[in-house]
Amino acid sequence: SAVISQKPSRDICQRGTSLTIQCQVDSQVTMMFWYRQQPGQSLTLIATANQGSEATYESGFVIDKFPISRPNLTFSTLTVSNMSPEDSSIYLCSVGGDSAFFGQGTRLTVV
Amino acid sequence: KNEVEQSPQNLTAQEGEFITINCSYSVGISALHWLQQHPGGGIVSLFMLSSGKKKHGRLIATINIQEKHSSLHITASHPRDSAVYICAVRRTGANNLFFGTGTRLTVIP
Repeated sequence: SAVISQKPSRDICQRGTSLTIQCQVDSQVTMMFWYRQQPGQSLTLIATANQGSEATYESGFVIDKFPISRPNLTFSTLTVSNMSPEDSSIYLCSVGGDSAFFGQGTRLTVV
Repeated sequence: KNEVEQSPQNLTAQEGEFITINCSYSVGISALHWLQQHPGGGIVSLFMLSSGKKKHGRLIATINIQEKHSSLHITASHPRDSAVYICAVRRTGANNLFFGTGTRLTVIP
């Protein structure tokens, strides 16, 4: 099993600013996933973060908007840059393998 | 069309009722997860299935690989079961999950 500590749990941000979300895992994992859940929608994969290499982004998501760091096998950050109200969502990190473990989520509101 | 479809989208039940949530998918998978999401946004994995049936307390999950269908059952439902239940699949050869839109369950005392 894995325990993931994600912070902040929620934030209200001004448009045009950036927010960095952190996830700390209690064990070493190869892959970490970052998901976005827009209001009333299902979770969508933003990118896969691998230690030692650049993140792999899904169609519709770009590094300039969602830069990701993965400095070691237990930690990752996702930054939401130059925010607009359309970025208001829940952001979740996850680790996988045979099971699925999620952080507590970051509820972001952009005003 | 979403690769993972859930029904119903919303479900209201009286305490004690037997509840069924359905999930259909259209791709080959290596695993299917049932997840529970509470209002704060955090997600907990309830079951991971690749075949057959699993039971944990009042929760039962089944999967039919040939029919590409899974069900989550809750027996003797309780208000604390109120949450969003999400079906997610891991496609064959993929590492990440693909999610249904969720079923919002409300259990009334």
